[in-house]
Amino acid sequence: EVQLVESGGGLVQPGGPLRLSCAASGLTLSMYWMSWVRQAPGKGLEWVANIKQDGSEKNYVDSVKGRFTISRDNARNSLWLQMNSLRAEDTAVYYCARLSDWCFDSWGQGTLVTVSS
Amino acid sequence: QSALTQPPSASGSLGQSVTISCTGTSSDVGGYNYVSWYQQHPGKAPKLMIYEVSKRPSGVPDRFSGSKSGNTASLTVSGLQAEDEADYYCSSFAGTNNWVFGGGTKLTVL
Repeated sequence: EVQLVESGGGLVQPGGPLRLSCAASGLTLSMYWMSWVRQAPGKGLEWVANIKQDGSEKNYVDSVKGRFTISRDNARNSLWLQMNSLRAEDTAVYYCARLSDWCFDSWGQGTLVTVSS
Repeated sequence: QSALTQPPSASGSLGQSVTISCTGTSSDVGGYNYVSWYQQHPGKAPKLMIYEVSKRPSGVPDRFSGSKSGNTASLTVSGLQAEDEADYYCSSFAGTNNWVFGGGTKLTVL
């Protein structure tokens, strides 16, 4: 059974950094594109970033380009999202998700990031 | 990277059918057969219900079906059950390894 477990969320001041982690089990991480998807409180889902199997390609939604960096270590079955220059509008639950068959077929439980002074 | 358009709400009675639409553009929904649908209950992670427009993952009841015409995709839930009450989101590949979601539809089972 595929398990994705996010961690690292919390309260951070505007302009500050935060690093999210996603621990994967039950899958060979190196076989899949992986993504981060977020959901602001009471709002819909928003794709944030994805990364190719070998880390050679990374893509971001326009609103986080230059501020967020997605990375992975297949040997450690881990995915990360480094978030810098955080803004209030980045407040959301952040989900780690596997991309397979052109869809997000497995999701973690999410980790809440709150950007506030 | 504009969000896909979904109706904010939909409803149907127990046992009836309901269809939720998802409208995009020729750069996303209309350009690829890579539309997927997700069910989300309050406080829970999204769950994949339909992928590649009309395919159902193992374990998803065949009461759930998907289709697409032009720039609009649709999710139909037949034989509504109480547990189908949830938020539903569509998503589409949008080219150059970018993805877009719809704003979500809250389905109420009457």
